[in-house]
Amino acid sequence: QKEVEQNSGPLSVPEGAIASLNCTYSDRGSQSFFWYRQYSGKSPELIMSIYSNGDKEDGRFTAQLNKASQYVSLLIRDSQPSDSATYLCAAPGDTDKLIFGTGTRLQVFP
Amino acid sequence: DGGITQSPKYLFRKEGQNVTLSCEQNLNHDAMYWYRQDPGQGLRLIYYSQIVNDFQKGDIAEGYSVSREKKESFPLTVTSAQKNPTAFYLCASSSRDSVQETQYFGPGTRLLVL
Repeated sequence: QKEVEQNSGPLSVPEGAIASLNCTYSDRGSQSFFWYRQYSGKSPELIMSIYSNGDKEDGRFTAQLNKASQYVSLLIRDSQPSDSATYLCAAPGDTDKLIFGTGTRLQVFP
Repeated sequence: DGGITQSPKYLFRKEGQNVTLSCEQNLNHDAMYWYRQDPGQGLRLIYYSQIVNDFQKGDIAEGYSVSREKKESFPLTVTSAQKNPTAFYLCASSSRDSVQETQYFGPGTRLLVL
């Protein structure tokens, strides 16, 4: 069964630091990956999608994909307390549907 | 304003009762999905629909039913057969049913059992 795995955290970083969130996946053939942010009690919102090996940058966020090692990362530069949330990674699963990881909880302290 | 709406925000179910969660989208998306989220767990797919008048079971369909009579609407019924319905229910849509397409989520419905 194909899986998407994330460390549940919490990952605690000081304000202004770089937060690094990681996700590993089991299907070597996966072509698309998504990072969602979910605030407590709210629904997930898309941060970024990535389809090709390498880095993709959008403002303070950078997604990194390494297909050979089967991991995808999300870097958040200049972390702010408002970035404190759970970050969900999603990748294709067995039945050609997205599988969501359990999420990594990020805490940014002032 | 394009988006996905879900209602109600909170829903209380009595034992033996069927309840229906509403999901509406005005994004003109073909594909719609229902997920369940439990504390500390990832999203689990209940049902999905690729097109009007068609839907398929996801990983945890037992105790749930859906319909897709209109492109904009994909209601989920939690039946009395679902013995542990307390969860956060999320509806999502995408332009088409493909793992390449971004799924956008509604605000969710929290279901509680009385």
